[in-house]
Amino acid sequence: EDKVVQSPLSLVVHEGDTVTLNCSYEVTNFRSLLWYKQEKKAPTFLFMLTSSGIEKKSGRLSSILDKKELFSILNITATQTGDSAIYLCAVEMDSNYQLIWGAGTKLIIKP
Amino acid sequence: DVKVTQSSRYLVKRTGEKVFLECVQDMDHENMFWYRQDPGLGLRLIYFSYDVKMKEKGDIPEGYSVSREKKERFSLILESASTNQTSMYLCASSLVGVKGNTIYFGEGSWLTVV
Repeated sequence: EDKVVQSPLSLVVHEGDTVTLNCSYEVTNFRSLLWYKQEKKAPTFLFMLTSSGIEKKSGRLSSILDKKELFSILNITATQTGDSAIYLCAVEMDSNYQLIWGAGTKLIIKP
Repeated sequence: DVKVTQSSRYLVKRTGEKVFLECVQDMDHENMFWYRQDPGLGLRLIYFSYDVKMKEKGDIPEGYSVSREKKERFSLILESASTNQTSMYLCASSLVGVKGNTIYFGEGSWLTVV
């Protein structure tokens, strides 16, 4: 059965800390891995990863994919209270373009 | 600016009632999706549609049906609402061949069934 597992399910840190969120997957016909941020409303796109070892970066956020070990990490450095959100990982399958979603990591940044 | 609009943001319905959740997109996308989101379970696909009048079951279609009579509109129907359908429902649309940043979500509809 295809699945995407995120860890931890929730995380509380202080402002300024660095966090690492994990996403592992077991799917057939992998096409890409996606990270989204969800605050109180709709998820918004962060990164799409298709190749191993190539870091994608956007400000304080970065992500990398390991297709051999079947996981991705999302790093956030110098966290701010505005980073508090649910971070969702999804894997797009090559066969039918559907997305399989992880359960999400709820990140809380304390001031 | 791209837009997926879910007309009902917050609803409270009684057990057994019929519930319609409407979703409209203005991007001429072929694909449209209905998900439900529950704490600890992530996004679970209920139904999706890749064309007008076409629909495919997702992972959890039981208790739901959908309608796509026009390309821009995708409706989710709960024929007889039950308390275990209390959830947040997300509509999304995308171009053919979902590629990350081309999937757009609506704001979500919070449904409480009492």
